[in-house]
Amino acid sequence: GESVGLHLPTLSVQEGDNSIINCAYSNSASDYFIWYKQESGKGPQFIIDIRSNMDKRQGQRVTVLLNKTVKHLSLQIAATQPGDSAVYFCAELRGSNYKLTFGKGTLLTVNP
Amino acid sequence: NAGVTQTPKFQVLKTGQSMTLQCAQDMNHNSMYWYRQDPGMGLRLIYYSASEGTTDKGEVPNGYNVSRLNKREFSLRLESAAPSQTSVYFCASSRDGQETQYFGPGTRLLVL
Repeated sequence: GESVGLHLPTLSVQEGDNSIINCAYSNSASDYFIWYKQESGKGPQFIIDIRSNMDKRQGQRVTVLLNKTVKHLSLQIAATQPGDSAVYFCAELRGSNYKLTFGKGTLLTVNP
Repeated sequence: NAGVTQTPKFQVLKTGQSMTLQCAQDMNHNSMYWYRQDPGMGLRLIYYSASEGTTDKGEVPNGYNVSRLNKREFSLRLESAAPSQTSVYFCASSRDGQETQYFGPGTRLLVL
């Protein structure tokens, strides 16, 4: 079936290291992808997005890579900080159908 | 600019009681959404409103009704609450169907 999933449910890194969170999607028709960060007790917060006509997009300390050949999405966080500790979700959208499909999330823990 | 706001923040209901969750956005977005988030299940779409005056079912609409009161407000109603509806409910909005969705802080609902 169609799904968005994550390779790793948990990721623990040292402060200052780079983090990479992965996501696989199965629907080749998906054309818009978003990464969200969710801290405990809060709503999902937009981090970065990418459309299917791009392979890479950079933000402040974050980079999203899209590999359409293997249907893989990754979020790279540079110089990870304790404030980056949260659950990270990838989400996909197909066309303008409004129905964002979320993966189950990866818990990132940053050790000082 | 408050973004997406939700009330109440927390609610306890007895089985069979009814209640309405309120959501408002001040970003002049056309589209609004209601999700529920359960452990291990990620975020699932309950209902959405593509534009003022329209509503459509999402992935898990049973037991819920919605009203798009105006462009700013989108409410979710539980007519007869059940313990299976214990969850965290998030409202979101976006400019249109293929734009980033921005989330509110959530309503934590416990049905006894």
